[in-house]
Amino acid sequence: DAGVIQSPRHEVTEMGQEVTLRCKPISGHNSLFWYRQTMMRGLELLIYFNNNVPIDDSGMPEDRFSAKMPNASFSTLKIQPSEPRDSAVYFCASSLARIELIDTQYFGPGTRLTVL
Amino acid sequence: KNEVEQSPQNLTAQEGEFITINCSYSVGISALHWLQQHPGGGIVSLFMLSSGKKKHGRLIATINIQEKHSSLHITASHPRDSAVYICAVRKDTGNQFYFGTGTSLTVIP
Repeated sequence: DAGVIQSPRHEVTEMGQEVTLRCKPISGHNSLFWYRQTMMRGLELLIYFNNNVPIDDSGMPEDRFSAKMPNASFSTLKIQPSEPRDSAVYFCASSLARIELIDTQYFGPGTRLTVL
Repeated sequence: KNEVEQSPQNLTAQEGEFITINCSYSVGISALHWLQQHPGGGIVSLFMLSSGKKKHGRLIATINIQEKHSSLHITASHPRDSAVYICAVRKDTGNQFYFGTGTSLTVIP
């Protein structure tokens, strides 16, 4: 399997622009996680889905952030409008776990976002 | 106060040394994860624990639920073990995850 695929790997944009990050989980995995990592705050969980349904979005920083999972093989994280403080590495991860179970997460390579 | 505390923050060791990284948490958990982040940024999940001990190669992870503490041990450390090791817990009520700030390990040849 190719592992978790994220695109783009790098994104540079200007403040106010819309940014869309994409993730393809490992085939057969039914949980998907979006994380953000910054020097100041470390790794943070933004939102996670189980069977395409958002389970916990309490980590989403504000209304400018939204995430969707239209099907089992694709998810997006959108920032609109973007701000310089959104600059971070965004990781997507997937796992086999059902909501009440726990399982190893497999991380994608991350998208490095820079908002100027 | 952070729900997850790791120690030490930074660690330098000579190749071959036995290494221990500690993680303490303050909430009830359903699982604890140890993650490894390589210098290039990639993240690998090393272990997921809910009790006892797990071993994978030179890595051993233990957890004491009563004491709310976990340790990650590396035997016969090697320069390729140089990375940031992150402890993360999933709360047993609700669905929140909490992360430690990481331990940066450098193993010198």
